[in-house]
Amino acid sequence: DTEVTQTPKHLVMGMTNKKSLKCEQHMGHRAMYWYKQKAKKPPELMFVYSYEKLSINESVPSRFSPECPNSSLLNLHLHALQPEDSALYLCASSQEGRGKQYFGPGTRLTVL
Amino acid sequence: GENVEQHPSTLSVQEGDSAVIKCTYSDSASNYFPWYKQELGKRPQLIIDIRSNVGEKKDQRIAVTLNKTAKHFSLHITETQPEDSAVYFCAALLFGNEKLTFGTGTRLTIIP
Repeated sequence: DTEVTQTPKHLVMGMTNKKSLKCEQHMGHRAMYWYKQKAKKPPELMFVYSYEKLSINESVPSRFSPECPNSSLLNLHLHALQPEDSALYLCASSQEGRGKQYFGPGTRLTVL
Repeated sequence: GENVEQHPSTLSVQEGDSAVIKCTYSDSASNYFPWYKQELGKRPQLIIDIRSNVGEKKDQRIAVTLNKTAKHFSLHITETQPEDSAVYFCAALLFGNEKLTFGTGTRLTIIP
């Protein structure tokens, strides 16, 4: 099984809402990632959870909050988002130190 | 941090001809270089990768070459087919760092 799953597929939220994106993998990978992808741009790394540590891209605003309940799950909590946060949010996983990152199908987020 | 440049941004190729996409990276410590294919509305899919201790790798119609001295690597697609039409991203990573830096992408169009 080489699949990373993400829910929901689509999400529309207002600027005052709180929502969560979920990501799950059953490949035994111990590193997981959140990326943000705007139209016609490459994925941009937001967070890395690997070697049991969370690494944060310093440019990511605090209204995004990752959570890693266990090695197969990675959540992204959203609060007080802005319209410019509308994008495709991709989750990925990999074996630590192996490089190959496998992406989930993404959540298409629209902030009104 | 790592910076990856990718050229060209768009490429149109007659079906059956070859396509070449080039990337350069800035951090000489990077040691893993994957290529991803992303079709419209889909997730990035890993199509081929190469480690810094290898100069060339081939998988059927796809090949990647790496020049560590010049810090550039290239994707070669031979006998192109309509289904090769997509956006292609190169990327670079340092094992242990786990942070993948993407190039800006190349939109490849195969003309039937």
